[in-house]
Amino acid sequence: KQEVTQIPAALSVPEGENLVLNCSFTDSAIYNLQWFRQDPGKGLTSLLLIQSSQREQTSGRLNASLDKSSGRSTLYIAASQPGDSATYLCAVPNDYKLSFGAGTTVTVRA
Amino acid sequence: DAGVIQSPRHEVTEMGQEVTLRCKPISGHDYLFWYRQTMMRGLELLIYFNNNVPIDDSGMPEDRFSAKMPNASFSTLKIQPSEPRDSAVYFCASRNSGGGVDTQYFGPGTRLTVL
Repeated sequence: KQEVTQIPAALSVPEGENLVLNCSFTDSAIYNLQWFRQDPGKGLTSLLLIQSSQREQTSGRLNASLDKSSGRSTLYIAASQPGDSATYLCAVPNDYKLSFGAGTTVTVRA
Repeated sequence: DAGVIQSPRHEVTEMGQEVTLRCKPISGHDYLFWYRQTMMRGLELLIYFNNNVPIDDSGMPEDRFSAKMPNASFSTLKIQPSEPRDSAVYFCASRNSGGGVDTQYFGPGTRLTVL
């Protein structure tokens, strides 16, 4: 059974600092990995999807890396802003299902 | 497209009552998923459908839970009778197996409180 772990569970940083969020998974036989953002009281929004053949994916200030062999992915958010405050979840597919980590709750202080 | 639509957004009910949650997936999507999110257990998949057919319901916690998808544009998740431990946010998501975009699109969720 695929287990997805995210560390840390919560993170508080001053505005402008870079963020590093970690995700690990137990079964490396994945074909992609996704990072989602969840704002309080809202649904999930897909941020980045990395295919297993890729090592990283970038979108604006966000960069996600994937190391399948070690079962790890990292989400980097450069020059954080208060608007980046949210919970970030990673997910890996299992057939057509997604297994989610518990998320990292980020607070960016102005 | 309006995205995945869920109703109601909030539901407060008393223990023992029947609860029905509704979902309209994105038009053209052939997969539909029901998730439950709690502080204790995080985000859990309950059941998913492909072309309106239930494929995997192993995440459905008990017989009190049932889900249907009578057509490609509508699905329901029913809890009968409801219990306080069913209190959670229930999300519906959909995806399109074609088109090369391999991601799920989530609705805003239904926050259920069972008193």
